[in-house]
Amino acid sequence: EVQLVESGGGLVQPGESLRLSCAASGFTFSNSWMSWVRQAPGKGLEWVAIIKQEPIETYYVDSVKGRFTISRDNAKSSLYLQMNSLRAEDTAVYYCARHMNGIDYWGQGTLVTVSS
Amino acid sequence: DVVMTQSPLSLPVTLGQPASISCRSSQSLVYSDGNTYLNWFQQRPGHSPRRLIYNVSNRDSGVPDRFSGSGSGTDFTLKISRVEAEDVGVYYCMQGTHWPPFTFGQGTKLEIK
Repeated sequence: EVQLVESGGGLVQPGESLRLSCAASGFTFSNSWMSWVRQAPGKGLEWVAIIKQEPIETYYVDSVKGRFTISRDNAKSSLYLQMNSLRAEDTAVYYCARHMNGIDYWGQGTLVTVSS
Repeated sequence: DVVMTQSPLSLPVTLGQPASISCRSSQSLVYSDGNTYLNWFQQRPGHSPRRLIYNVSNRDSGVPDRFSGSGSGTDFTLKISRVEAEDVGVYYCMQGTHWPPFTFGQGTKLEIK
């Protein structure tokens, strides 16, 4: 069974940093493209970033370029999102997601709140 | 960026009646390999999204056959043949042909009348 479990969310002040993690199991993580998708409170879904398998390639939505970094550790079957210079508009539930003909599996999400 | 436009945004339906959601893209979603990367997701209240349909019309494993997807090019539809109480939630389309970025529709909230 495919499982994606996010962690690392919390309350931070504007300008601070946070690192999200996603532990994957039930499939061959190293062969999979992975994304982060976010959902602001009461709003729709917004794709944030994707990382391909070897050779590593990464892509970002314009609003987070230069601030967020997606990475992976295939030995640990883990996905990460380093978020720097956080803004109030980054407040959202962040989902880890696997790609197969689009996105097929989602984690339960972790809430990031950016507020002073 | 490809803009995905869903309609309606709110869909009140009587139990047992059919429902239909439209999703239109600002450009054709046919990829160079011949596939059309259009997904449909269901998000029940308080839950993560769950994929129902991939590549326009292919139902994911475990998805009831009352859900069906159709369409081509820029025009796509999700149909529920007979709405059940467990179908309440928000439905999203997403395109995976022209990325980055992957883009979603605004969401359609299905409720029971």
